[in-house]
Amino acid sequence: AQSVTQLGSHVSVSEGALVLLRCNYSSSVPPYLFWYVQYPNQGLQLLLKYTTGATLVKGINGFEAEFKKSETSFHLTKPSAHMSDAAEYFCAVSENYGQNFVFGPGTRLSVLP
Amino acid sequence: NAGVTQTPKFQVLKTGQSMTLQCAQDMNHEYMSWYRQDPGMGLRLIHYSVGAGITDQGEVPNGYNVSRSTTEDFPLRLLSAAPSQTSVYFCASWGQLEAFFGQGTRLTVV
Repeated sequence: AQSVTQLGSHVSVSEGALVLLRCNYSSSVPPYLFWYVQYPNQGLQLLLKYTTGATLVKGINGFEAEFKKSETSFHLTKPSAHMSDAAEYFCAVSENYGQNFVFGPGTRLSVLP
Repeated sequence: NAGVTQTPKFQVLKTGQSMTLQCAQDMNHEYMSWYRQDPGMGLRLIHYSVGAGITDQGEVPNGYNVSRSTTEDFPLRLLSAAPSQTSVYFCASWGQLEAFFGQGTRLTVV
């Protein structure tokens, strides 16, 4: 069965600092991996996804993530945090062509001035 | 192109009442699903549908019913609301290896 863990329910960084949000998954088959962002009182918006091919995936708003099969990880990074990045971030895995997502518990990112 | 539309945005129910959360999409997606979001638990799948007339249970289906009579609509029914169903509910549809989410329905059961 698929599962997702996100280390740290709350991460705080200073504006301009590196953002690193961790995601590890378990899957019995090569997975599809996703990062979604949720701003307050909003739905979820896709940041980036890994399906096949290049393991370093670039997304919107300067975020990127690297699929590391040996570590079963898909950590999300951004070189320089901006105040507008404050939100909740969800990692998700799917074994079935983008269906039946399993979401991680989420990480709330705070950006300090 | 509205994407995924959920109504209502907010709802307060008394224990034992019933209601239907509406979800509609205009992207002609076959696959739709309902999630509930609770603090510290991410999003958990309630029910999903792979096309009109076909539905199946997800991780937390108890207390909820769904139907899919058209490609566009996928309503979620609470037959007899319980305080444990207080949550934020999201509808999603899938296309091009991406899930499109509605804005959510915040439900409180008192």
